[in-house]
Amino acid sequence: ETGVTQTPRHLVMGMTNKKSLKCEQHLGHNAMYWYKQSAKKPLELMFVYNFKEQTENNSVPSRFSPECPNSSHLFLHLHTLQPEDSALYLCASSPGTSGGTNTGELFFGEGSRLTVL
Amino acid sequence: AQSVAQPEDQVNVAEGNPLTVKCTYSVSGNPYLFWYVQYPNRGLQFLLKYITGDNLVKGSYGFEAEFNKSQTSFHLKKPSALVSDSALYFCAVRDMRSNYQLIWGAGTKLIIKP
Repeated sequence: ETGVTQTPRHLVMGMTNKKSLKCEQHLGHNAMYWYKQSAKKPLELMFVYNFKEQTENNSVPSRFSPECPNSSHLFLHLHTLQPEDSALYLCASSPGTSGGTNTGELFFGEGSRLTVL
Repeated sequence: AQSVAQPEDQVNVAEGNPLTVKCTYSVSGNPYLFWYVQYPNRGLQFLLKYITGDNLVKGSYGFEAEFNKSQTSFHLKKPSALVSDSALYFCAVRDMRSNYQLIWGAGTKLIIKP
């Protein structure tokens, strides 16, 4: 148990569906992240939130829409996805993103396995 | 450009033998280096990190890593492998340009055979 919970663990959706991934952390951290993990590729950082404010958006297509209502919750809203978006989506948290709060140690959830048909 | 390379897609080791998972990096300035492990159907877990000081860093589950500045390497090692060490291992370096985010290697699958 890492203190970061992701739901659902598995999601199958059609290209015209709208769905959301949810992440919740119980660690009192201020920063939350969405990563995309594809086989045999480095993790791709998608979004970073620090104190609910988005600080990174790594050129992610607009069909992925993040939402961070508070420091404990993070959502990834999905709409009109493509089959190449099928991957494991990982949520992570850390104490912060800058200076002494950024130790580089991230706490990951178990991921949401997304399949786009 | 800042980058991390894990030259082996897969490493096979017999149980009880020593193991090494290789990582090389390219960054400007002093690197902060990390190893994470991902067990099947799980998220990533932090193993160890090098920030400064002793080049040999000890981490969880008996793993250690050696920082070699001249070879820009940070190889992960364990003296005696266990079958339960079978997992996917990721090396990462801290990017001092982009709000201190991590740059990741592609991962190395470690298979320990009984």
